[in-house]
Amino acid sequence: AQSVTQLDSHVSVSEGTPVLLRCNYSSSYSPSLFWYVQHPNKGLQLLLKYTSAATLVKGINGFEAEFKKSETSFHLTKPSAHMSDAAEYFCVVSGQAGTALIFGKGTTLSVSS
Amino acid sequence: DAGVTQSPTHLIKTRGQQVTLRCSPKSGHDTVSWYQQALGQGPQFIFQYYEEEERQRGNFPDRFSGHQFPNYSSELNVNALLLGDSALYLCASRPQGSYGYTFGSGTRLTVV
Repeated sequence: AQSVTQLDSHVSVSEGTPVLLRCNYSSSYSPSLFWYVQHPNKGLQLLLKYTSAATLVKGINGFEAEFKKSETSFHLTKPSAHMSDAAEYFCVVSGQAGTALIFGKGTTLSVSS
Repeated sequence: DAGVTQSPTHLIKTRGQQVTLRCSPKSGHDTVSWYQQALGQGPQFIFQYYEEEERQRGNFPDRFSGHQFPNYSSELNVNALLLGDSALYLCASRPQGSYGYTFGSGTRLTVV
């Protein structure tokens, strides 16, 4: 069985400071991992994905994540937060291509000026 | 290039009624999945369609059914609506065998 746990339900940062959203995964085989962002009243947008290639994955809008098998983690980071980054972020695990996406419960990122 | 299109955007139904939600996948995508997102929760997988057949199903009762048409568009049907079915229903499409899911903006269903 596969699952993800997002360790923080809410993260608050100031504009210009680093962002860290934490995610641990559980998978019985080599997982594919994703981060999605959801702005209010919008659909889900893919930020980045890990599919067994490089362990440091760069995504859109300056986000990146590092796959750490020994720690079963896939934390999302960004060096400098923008106001526009305020949204709901989901860590997602999947098995082989084509299988269902399993979402975490989400982390709400708030950015203050 | 249009992305994933869902209709309607909002819907209000009464308990016990039936509802049909529609999804047009992104151009070039042949696989469609449906997800239910309750308020404050992450999306949960309902089922996936490819070549007009249900290929994978999540932990949802038989009241939830679907269909995929030859043009790859899809419908989600929910019978005997319960208050707990109130949620945002998301459609996602991708090319078969790809990880590249594209999500629609969803249909907000309210059951009263």
